[in-house]
Amino acid sequence: NAGVTQTPKFQVLKTGQSMTLQCAQDMNHEYMSWYRQDPGMGLRLIHYSVGAGITDQGEVPNGYNVSRSTTEDFPLRLLSAAPSQTSVYFCASRQRRREPPFDTEAFFGQGTRLTVV
Amino acid sequence: RKEVEQDPGPFNVPEGATVAFNCTYSNSASQSFFWYRQDCRKEPKLLMSVYSSGNEDGRFTAQLNRASQYISLLIRDSKLSDSATYLCVAVRGYQKVTFGIGTKLQVIP
Repeated sequence: NAGVTQTPKFQVLKTGQSMTLQCAQDMNHEYMSWYRQDPGMGLRLIHYSVGAGITDQGEVPNGYNVSRSTTEDFPLRLLSAAPSQTSVYFCASRQRRREPPFDTEAFFGQGTRLTVV
Repeated sequence: RKEVEQDPGPFNVPEGATVAFNCTYSNSASQSFFWYRQDCRKEPKLLMSVYSSGNEDGRFTAQLNRASQYISLLIRDSKLSDSATYLCVAVRGYQKVTFGIGTKLQVIP
């Protein structure tokens, strides 16, 4: 039972470098999302997708790009890393039922601890 | 005002005690609510779903008060293993999922 798989678990970047955080789920969930978690701030939504080919911005999208070419994969790209992007990143997926209650639990990946120096 | 508000704690309680957390939400259109547990440096995991007035699972009881716009989580007979951060989540529509900052619980021997 893989669930949501995130890689890498840890990463150190220099300011200005770019990288992609990988996220894959094997539950055929339509909805996938990326969060960052900072002390005292809780989980904040970066980008989300409601299906292949559809993405949208969340609360804190600046400096990040996403794409959703398949149902399974939802990579997050940091275009030019900045120290303010030092955080723990979580990918999550969930499904929406066809009948009430519509909303279901979100399944999270294990997280990526990113440090930008 | 944040859409979902929680007291960050920490709540330090002795083993065997009963502890309750409250979470308030500001948008009355929120439809579904969840409590997640997050251990230190780990991913959040679902503890309970709250769709109607409440839900109970063993030592854990969640209640929803739509009139006052709050959700509570009650933990009875606290165990050392209950030490964690408890996240309150409100869902409004398909896309709008808002997390509280979490309440930290430390159960003391």
